[in-house]
Amino acid sequence: EVQLVESGGGLVQPGRSLRLSCAASGFTFDDYAMHWVRQAPGKGLEWVSGISWNSGSIGYADSVKGRFTISRDNAKNSLYLQMNSLRAEDTALYYCAKARTAIAYYFDYWGQGTLVTVSS
Amino acid sequence: EIVMTQSPATLSVSPGERATLSCRASQSVSSNLAWYQQKPGQAPRLLIYGASTRATGIPARFSGSGSGTEFTLTISSLQSEDFAVYYCQQYNNWPFFGGGTKVEIK
Repeated sequence: EVQLVESGGGLVQPGRSLRLSCAASGFTFDDYAMHWVRQAPGKGLEWVSGISWNSGSIGYADSVKGRFTISRDNAKNSLYLQMNSLRAEDTALYYCAKARTAIAYYFDYWGQGTLVTVSS
Repeated sequence: EIVMTQSPATLSVSPGERATLSCRASQSVSSNLAWYQQKPGQAPRLLIYGASTRATGIPARFSGSGSGTEFTLTISSLQSEDFAVYYCQQYNNWPFFGGGTKVEIK
């Protein structure tokens, strides 16, 4: 059974940093691209960042480019999101999502999310 | 960036009726289009990929069509469990989502 478990969310002041983690199990982690998708309270889905199976291809939404860094550790079956210079508008539930293939970036499994609240 | 526009924002439908949801891309995404269903307090669930292929376990009452810039998700006969928010997402390059359509009970 595929499982994606996010952690690392919490309350943080504007301008500070936070690192999210996603622990994956139930599939061959290094066969698939992985992504972060967020959802602000009461709002729609927003793709944040994605990383290919070998970390050779990485992308970011314009809203987080230069502030967030995605990475993965295939030996640990883990995905990460380093979030710096956080803003109030980064407040959201952050989902870890598995791409269905190595190259087609749509998502067949999602975690339950970790909530990030940016507030003073 | 490819902008995805969904319409309508809210669709009021009676159980048993047909629902038709639209999604438009600001430029061609070929057939690289997925649909998701999201219920309150839950993660999204993949319904359709490749514009028209149902994901594993998705009932046949869900169907997708379209290519290029215009796409449609049709729910042929709405069941109580289908009232939810639906999102389209292009994956022609880095993925982007539409704003969603809420299907509510009429």
